[in-house]
Amino acid sequence: GDSVTQMEGPVTLSEEAFLTINCTYTATGYPSLFWYVQYPGEGLQLLLKATKADDKGSNKGFEATYRKETTSFHLEKGSVQVSDSAVYFCALSDSGGGADGLTFGKGTHLIIQP
Amino acid sequence: GAGVSQSPSNKVTEKGKDVELRCDPISGHTALYWYRQSLGQGLEFLIYFQGNSAPDKSGLPSDRFSAERTGGSVSTLTIQRTQQEDSAVYLCASSLVSGKTGELFFGEGSRLTVL
Repeated sequence: GDSVTQMEGPVTLSEEAFLTINCTYTATGYPSLFWYVQYPGEGLQLLLKATKADDKGSNKGFEATYRKETTSFHLEKGSVQVSDSAVYFCALSDSGGGADGLTFGKGTHLIIQP
Repeated sequence: GAGVSQSPSNKVTEKGKDVELRCDPISGHTALYWYRQSLGQGLEFLIYFQGNSAPDKSGLPSDRFSAERTGGSVSTLTIQRTQQEDSAVYLCASSLVSGKTGELFFGEGSRLTVL
């Protein structure tokens, strides 16, 4: 079945540091890939997405590139801020059938210290 | 409303009691999902409704769990004879189209604690 594996936190960085959160996936079809973010006390919200190989999703300074050859969708940001502290979820949606929702990773808790 | 609304936001119940959790999706969204978020376990898919089609119940963990969606809008997730392992945050999401390429909009969740 489909699965998403992401690094588990917490990940603690200083402000302005470079961020990478690794995400790899297993899917039977040709999935779309997503990063969702959950800020403290709020619901999950879409951060960025990519629907086909080599696509790059970007938003709020975050980027992720859909790498089919390595089945990866790593999240990066060049200079993090305290306001980026949140839980980040990598997810996929498989066009190969089954439940028409998203398969999520376990989430990575990111803590940015001033 | 402007977003997905869930109630109650917090529910504490005793083992063996039944609970109902409500989700009011964004108006016009045909797809509705329930997920369970447990500490250290990420998000677990429970059930999916799409328009008037039969729901996909493949994620429900036991027959104590059921959900319905009335009139293609509001949904209720019911847990019968609750157990301590049911303690989690139950998230509802809706989308305008299929989740395959469309964005899911999540509510803030209902936190269930079973004593």
